Amino acid sequence: SQKIEQNSEALNIQEGKTATLTCNYTNYSPAYLQWYRQDPGRGPVFLLLIRENEKEKRKERLKVTFDTTLKQSLFHITASQPADSATYLCALESSNYKLTFGKGTLLTVNP
Amino acid sequence: EADIYQTPRYLVIGTGKKITLECSQTMGHDKMYWYQQDPGMELHLIHYSYGVNSTEKGDLSSESTVSRIRTEHFPLTLESARPSHTSQYLCASSEAGLADTQYFGPGTRLTVL
Repeated sequence: SQKIEQNSEALNIQEGKTATLTCNYTNYSPAYLQWYRQDPGRGPVFLLLIRENEKEKRKERLKVTFDTTLKQSLFHITASQPADSATYLCALESSNYKLTFGKGTLLTVNP
Repeated sequence: EADIYQTPRYLVIGTGKKITLECSQTMGHDKMYWYQQDPGMELHLIHYSYGVNSTEKGDLSSESTVSRIRTEHFPLTLESARPSHTSQYLCASSEAGLADTQYFGPGTRLTVL
């Protein structure tokens, strides 16, 4: 069956460091992968999309990589700030343009 | 900030009551979705719609029903609420086409006593 694993439930880092979050998947062949941010009690907010033919995508301090051979995406936040503290969700197209979400990784950036 | 709204934000009701959770979007998106999310858990798709008069059940079985009479409106109804329905309900919308980014509302936190 299809499965998405975000390998850390929680990640704590020091302000200014680079946060790296991992999303692994099995039994998918997604045309694209998306990353969302979710704050407590709120709906997810879209951050980045990367297509299967793209190796890397950047947006300001965010960078996403997509390795379809390893079936893995890495999400990086450089020069992290306490305001980056949130849960980050990986989402894959499952079928008929629907998304399946991972459980998320709770990132805490300590000042 | 996405132009998608959900009401109420919080709802506490007794078992057996009928409830409707409202969701509206002003972006003209054809696709709309309802997700259920328990604390610390992943979002589960319970209903979706690809346009007016189109509704489909999602991956997670739900006793709720939905309707799509207008593009901008996608309400979710529970005919008889039970404590097992206690959860966060999130509505989302996206434009038609590949790789559609989903825009989420703020959610409704439902507690059934």
